[in-house]
Amino acid sequence: GDSVTQMEGPVTLSEEAFLTINCTYTATGYPSLFWYVQYPGEGLQLLLKATKADDKGSNKGFEATYRKETTSFHLEKGSVQVSDSAVYFCALKTGTASKLTFGTGTRLQVTL
Amino acid sequence: EPEVTQTPSHQVTQMGQEVILRCVPISNHLYFYWYRQILGQKVEFLVSFYNNEISEKSEIFDDQFSVERPDGSNFTLKIRSTKLEDSAMYFCASSDPPSGGELFFGEGSRLTVL
Repeated sequence: GDSVTQMEGPVTLSEEAFLTINCTYTATGYPSLFWYVQYPGEGLQLLLKATKADDKGSNKGFEATYRKETTSFHLEKGSVQVSDSAVYFCALKTGTASKLTFGTGTRLQVTL
Repeated sequence: EPEVTQTPSHQVTQMGQEVILRCVPISNHLYFYWYRQILGQKVEFLVSFYNNEISEKSEIFDDQFSVERPDGSNFTLKIRSTKLEDSAMYFCASSDPPSGGELFFGEGSRLTVL
């Protein structure tokens, strides 16, 4: 079945550091890939998405590129801020199915 | 900005009791979902709902669970007889349309079963 594997957290970085959160997937067919973010006390929000191979999703300085050859969708940001502290979830869905399959989430803590 | 709202934010219940979690999806959305996350584990799909019926459900969604859209705005998840292992954060989501549409999630309802 479909699955998503994320790097273990928590990830602790200093402000302005470079961020990478790894995500790999296993899926039948050609999935769409997503990153969701959950800020403290809030719900899951879509951060970015990519629907086909080599697409790059980007939002709020975050980027992720759909790599079919490595089945990966790593999240990156060049310079993190304290306000980026949150839990980040990688997710996929396949075909016309509406169900999202999530990874375990990676907690990011950014300090001054 | 429209949002999905969930109540209660936290509920504590005794094992064997019935629990109803409530969600108000975004008003023009037609597809509704429940997910849950047991502490430290993955966010898991429970059920999707469209046109007043379940469109897909996971193995987790057994006879103890039911969903309902009792009126034009609410979408509820009922757990008939709670078990300790039902303790989790339950997320409601809605979308329109589902195949390419973004799922909008609520803030979650934390259920603690004692």
